[in-house]
Amino acid sequence: QLQLQASGPGLVKPSETLSLTCTVSGDSLSSSTYYWGWIRQSPGKGLEWIGTIYYRGTTYYNPSLKSRVTMSVDTSKNQFSLRLSSVTAADTAVYYCVKYLNEIFTSPLSTWGQGALVTVSS
Amino acid sequence: DIVMTQSPDSLTVSLGERATINCKSSQSVLNSSHNKSYLAWYQQKPGQPPKLLIYWASARESGVPDRFSGSGSGTDFTLTISNLQAEDVAVYYCQQYYDAPFTFGPGTKVGIK
Repeated sequence: QLQLQASGPGLVKPSETLSLTCTVSGDSLSSSTYYWGWIRQSPGKGLEWIGTIYYRGTTYYNPSLKSRVTMSVDTSKNQFSLRLSSVTAADTAVYYCVKYLNEIFTSPLSTWGQGALVTVSS
Repeated sequence: DIVMTQSPDSLTVSLGERATINCKSSQSVLNSSHNKSYLAWYQQKPGQPPKLLIYWASARESGVPDRFSGSGSGTDFTLTISNLQAEDVAVYYCQQYYDAPFTFGPGTKVGIK
């Protein structure tokens, strides 16, 4: 059974970099031809698509965040990661890692991790 | 960006009755070559992540009860919950995956009357 688990610091200071890792179990990133990604949810902005990564490292980012976002894959650890730089209070949210339903980029989100709450505060 | 809107913001329905949620996109999400609308519906219960219910506007995800149905094409879509059950209390979101950045509606909260 596929499971995704996001982990990382729950508190990040303003102007610093938020780093989260999603550990995948029940599937292999190195052999998967599916897309993976990150979504965040905050009271103010609702659900927001952050970006997508393919196991070969191809990435697609939300233009509103593109200058601050980096996603990567570590197939040896079966993990993919999110880094968001220069954070502000507006980046406070629950961050979900997700798997896409189909083997195409334009696909719904079939599997969601439980989410990791990240608060930006000094 | 494609803007997604939903109506109503919230609704209460008696057990066993029907709930209807509308979703509208600011531009068409229909791929005419495939004749598929790139529209999904999710259910989110308190403290849980969203769960995929419907995709391609009307295809039900595996394991989703058949009282959940989706309809519509182009820019106007509907999620119908027939025979509402207590466990259907949740917030429901629509999402377009036609064009990045993929965007979600603001959600509709469904409760029991």
